[in-house]
Amino acid sequence: GAVVSQHPSRVICKSGTSVKIECRSLDFQATTMFWYRQFPKQSLMLMATSNEGSKATYEQGVEKDKFLINHASLTLSTLTVTSAHPEDSSFYICSAGTGLSSETQYFGPGTRLLVL
Amino acid sequence: AQSVTQLGSHVSVSEGALVLLRCNYSSSVPPYLFWYVQYPNQGLQLLLKYTSAATLVKGINGFEAEFKKSETSFHLTKPSAHMSDAAEYFCAVSDGDEKLTFGTGTRLTIIP
Repeated sequence: GAVVSQHPSRVICKSGTSVKIECRSLDFQATTMFWYRQFPKQSLMLMATSNEGSKATYEQGVEKDKFLINHASLTLSTLTVTSAHPEDSSFYICSAGTGLSSETQYFGPGTRLLVL
Repeated sequence: AQSVTQLGSHVSVSEGALVLLRCNYSSSVPPYLFWYVQYPNQGLQLLLKYTSAATLVKGINGFEAEFKKSETSFHLTKPSAHMSDAAEYFCAVSDGDEKLTFGTGTRLTIIP
């Protein structure tokens, strides 16, 4: 199946700093990429949907200025957590899709962020 | 808007026994339905999906699920549990806009 990578897999940062997480589709062109947040022992919550070359669409309650998403190419999307705080600590997962709702989204392995 | 309900946040079965994980959905349009598995500290892996073709869908690792419109259900089953099946399982629904709505997940434990 298709492969999606995320980098880094784990990051620890100080409160107030910014952290960038990369999501890459390695063997297909991802028209759409999704960013999810998962709290311990909970489900995935969709944060935003990004389409290549356009602004991301954020879900209700997600701060656009806090979580900056850039989808610069058909194989790369980045999520930047700006001015991170301990409450931003979480597991962030991206997925990539081909633009067809009946098709599978391919998920990255996730990035665990710990803000001290 | 669509939603998914997974009954039972924790399910324990003995090795070799039947696995049944329940999922009920709500959707205003014919849904696309998915089951994903998540191992600790990893992303999600697709087990199977229903996209309006055959109502009985076979997936990887011996799992299958049956779409029952009258019951708005898409339960996941496996005839014989294996220790390696221990993981978190998520049911998800899409109503055609490519967004996935996930259930709260079911943690499957296999008893030796």
